[in-house]
Amino acid sequence: KAGVTQTPRYLIKTRGQQVTLSCSPISGHRSVSWYQQTPGQGLQFLFEYFSETQRNKGNFPGRFSGRQFSNSRSEMNVSTLELGDSALYLCASSLGQRSEQFFGPGTRLTVL
Amino acid sequence: EDKVVQSPLSLVVHEGDTVTLNCSYEVTNFRSLLWYKQEKKAPTFLFMLTSSGIEKKSGRLSSILDKKELFSILNITATQTGDSAVYLCAVEVSTSGTYKYIFGTGTRLKVLA
Repeated sequence: KAGVTQTPRYLIKTRGQQVTLSCSPISGHRSVSWYQQTPGQGLQFLFEYFSETQRNKGNFPGRFSGRQFSNSRSEMNVSTLELGDSALYLCASSLGQRSEQFFGPGTRLTVL
Repeated sequence: EDKVVQSPLSLVVHEGDTVTLNCSYEVTNFRSLLWYKQEKKAPTFLFMLTSSGIEKKSGRLSSILDKKELFSILNITATQTGDSAVYLCAVEVSTSGTYKYIFGTGTRLKVLA
């Protein structure tokens, strides 16, 4: 069974631009969660989607948004990029609540 | 505000040593506590703990949860260089009928040959 895939793996953008990251969950998994990981803050929860609906959201500004498609693939969008958005963005998929999360390899975003 | 704190922040040991990593939490609506190992990029799942006092074991790794004192420990015996990684603790909390995970900043373990 293929694991969680994320594209692109690396991305360099400049301040003010916007970016879209993609996550394909493990086949059969309907829940996709997004996390931001930085050296200072650790892993921070962004949001979780289940069956195309956002079920939960962390404490991030409205510049961070996401969506999930009917095939459970998810995208995360960050608009008006700031230097502080430079981070590793991880997505994780699971069957649903109380199920083990499987993480993708992440997308390393650098904002110059 | 929900909080998960891990200690120590980093640790250097020699092969064969035993290490104990700590995770304490202050959250409302606790559901479970999870441990992950992160070597390069993607964290990999180690344990999920929901009940106090019941040890989960996998090879040289074991973990236990104390819901009264609000902490968990992860033990690694007979450490090997392949155990070098960041170990993450996460607490699952329920919120408004659903759930989310709060992660600690991790403990960076380096095992020297």
